[in-house]
Amino acid sequence: QKEVEQDPGPLSVPEGAIVSLNCTYSNSAFQYFMWYRQYSRKGPELLMYTYSSGNKEDGRFTAQVDKSSKYISLFIRDSQPSDSATYLCAMQHGSGNTGKLIFGQGTTLQVKP
Amino acid sequence: ETGVTQSPTHLIKTRGQQVTLRCSSQSGHNTVSWYQQALGQGPQFIFQYYREEENGRGNFPPRFSGLQFPNYSSELNVNALELDDSALYLCASSFGDLAASPLHFGNGTRLTVT
Repeated sequence: QKEVEQDPGPLSVPEGAIVSLNCTYSNSAFQYFMWYRQYSRKGPELLMYTYSSGNKEDGRFTAQVDKSSKYISLFIRDSQPSDSATYLCAMQHGSGNTGKLIFGQGTTLQVKP
Repeated sequence: ETGVTQSPTHLIKTRGQQVTLRCSSQSGHNTVSWYQQALGQGPQFIFQYYREEENGRGNFPPRFSGLQFPNYSSELNVNALELDDSALYLCASSFGDLAASPLHFGNGTRLTVT
């Protein structure tokens, strides 16, 4: 069993839709949770960074962490064609393990005009 | 603020050869991590360098090695290349503890081994 599970999709939605992306994990030692966006032929770009359970909002993006269920989500409101990319969840143990992120497989999202 | 830059962008090598990939960290960052991303997969941690020393390593064989220089730039060396080494190699930089500074990635080097 992988430490982090992410549905690879692809996920196709119409412009303006609300998108929900999810990851589950098995290691309760994870404390830092991130979402990266990766466009084709580019490196991952940090979107959201959270610590502990709860919600964090940044513009059209909301990250949600539920440690009790070992489940994290990224919501995209009013999705745009420019949001079409692969979304990667990533997690890390507590401080002292800087740099070692465990990534999900990535979900490919297509937003159609 | 200068981001993470990697060179070269693309590289084709033959099985058994050796390769060196280079990375310049983002301005102000002192820690460099290297990742391997196979097609259709998430990145996998290779190792991290902090203050010119290896500080954590993933499940990769010793033929994957690295260096960090006093200016915090870094190299990834891979010896005895195998076909399965074909992947996108990503460099990421940060400043110290992840709690204060999440990783920021470069655009990677696409390595093809034939």
